[in-house]
This record gives sequence, C-alpha cells and structure tokens, in this order.
Amino acid sequence: GESVGLHLPTLSVQEGDNSIINCAYSNSASDYFIWYKQESGKGPQFIIDIRSNMDKRQGQRVTVLLNKTVKHLSLQIAATQPGDSAVYFCAENIAGAGGTSYGKLTFGQGTILTVHP
Amino acid sequence: NAGVMQNPRHLVRRRGQEARLRCSPMKGHSHVYWYRQLPEEGLKFMVYLQKENIIDESGMPKERFSAEFPKEGPSILRIQQVVRGDSAAYFCASSLSGQGSNQPQHFGDGTRLSIL
Repeated sequence: GESVGLHLPTLSVQEGDNSIINCAYSNSASDYFIWYKQESGKGPQFIIDIRSNMDKRQGQRVTVLLNKTVKHLSLQIAATQPGDSAVYFCAENIAGAGGTSYGKLTFGQGTILTVHP
Repeated sequence: NAGVMQNPRHLVRRRGQEARLRCSPMKGHSHVYWYRQLPEEGLKFMVYLQKENIIDESGMPKERFSAEFPKEGPSILRIQQVVRGDSAAYFCASSLSGQGSNQPQHFGDGTRLSIL
C-alpha cells in the first residue's frame, strides 16, 4: 500500500548545528504535508505545514522543502538546541475526488533527533 | 487558549472490560480525529468525526470499537470487551475545518490504555 516513510530512523547532532530530517512519500495524490514533533509522554506538536503547490516554506528556525518530482519532504532545523530532541514525524493528507482533502493523515514511522550539548 | 484535552491520561482495564476515552477539541474546532500509536511507531488513523456525524471510520476495527461526537460534550472513543492487543496510546486531534481545506490537526497528549 502507499505510505509515508523516513530514510533515517535516528539523527544525532551537536547543539548549534543544523539538522535535516528526511521523509519519502509514495502517493502522488498527497496535497498537504505536516511535520510534527513528539516528546516522550506527549502528543504530536505541530511544527510546520506545506501545500503541494509550494516547494519551500519557512518558520521560526525551521524550513520545510517539498520535492514533488521525487516525492521527498525534508525538515531543516537551524541552530539545533537540546530542547529540539524528540521524535519527528512527517504526515501527509491525500486529496480526494474533486480536489477535496479528507482530513485523514498518514504518518511516517518517525525520526529520533538527539541533540548533544 | 486550551488545547485539545484528553482524559483520562492513563487507563488500566482487565480483559473483557470496556474502555471509554474522552476528547474535548480546541475551542472553535468542530472536526475531531482519533489515532492510535503503538510503541516506536507512527500514529495510525482510526476515525474522523464532525458534530453528530462520522465522516470516515475506515481505520477503525469493525467490531468492539465505536466513536461518537455528540452535539454537546466531548468526543468518545469506546472499546468494548478489551483485549491485550488494544494496549496503545490513543490520540485525539481537532481542526478548524476538515474536508475541502488544508488545516493542521492539533493533538492532545493522549490516553495510554493498558490491558491486564
């Protein structure tokens, strides 16, 4: 079946470095993507989203890049801090008939980001 | 602004009992989603509801599981005759709108269900 997956299950970086977390998706009908951060014992926390008619979007210290040609999504975190340590999930929303979105999100398995002080 | 509120945070049940999980969406949100997460896995969609309507229940098992989102009060995920395999974290999310628009879903901190 079609799904969202991640290239790297774990990523360790030094404080102050930039982090890049990757995600591959296989459903060309996906039209909306979200990155979530999940800390231990908590629910996913929204970080940033991007629609399929865009290829880049920036937030505070985060940038999401979307490459529809190769069905690849990445999250870049600038000046990574120890508080960024968490599991990061990408999620996709698949457009339904007529271009509507059903709201159902399909999640990848997650990447564990560890930031060393 | 209160976020998505779920209760209880932890729930322990014996096999055969019923589990009721509650979710109050963010203020102003009328779309609710339930997801299930097993350890070290991503979230799996179960059901999508609007007030008094089930929009998509394609991810929910046909037996023992049901969900509702009444006109008044929280959304309820109900699991009857629980089995050990039901042990998981159950997350609720809400959004401002659902079908026809791309709005981020905001999650609660989940209910951790343990079956003895």
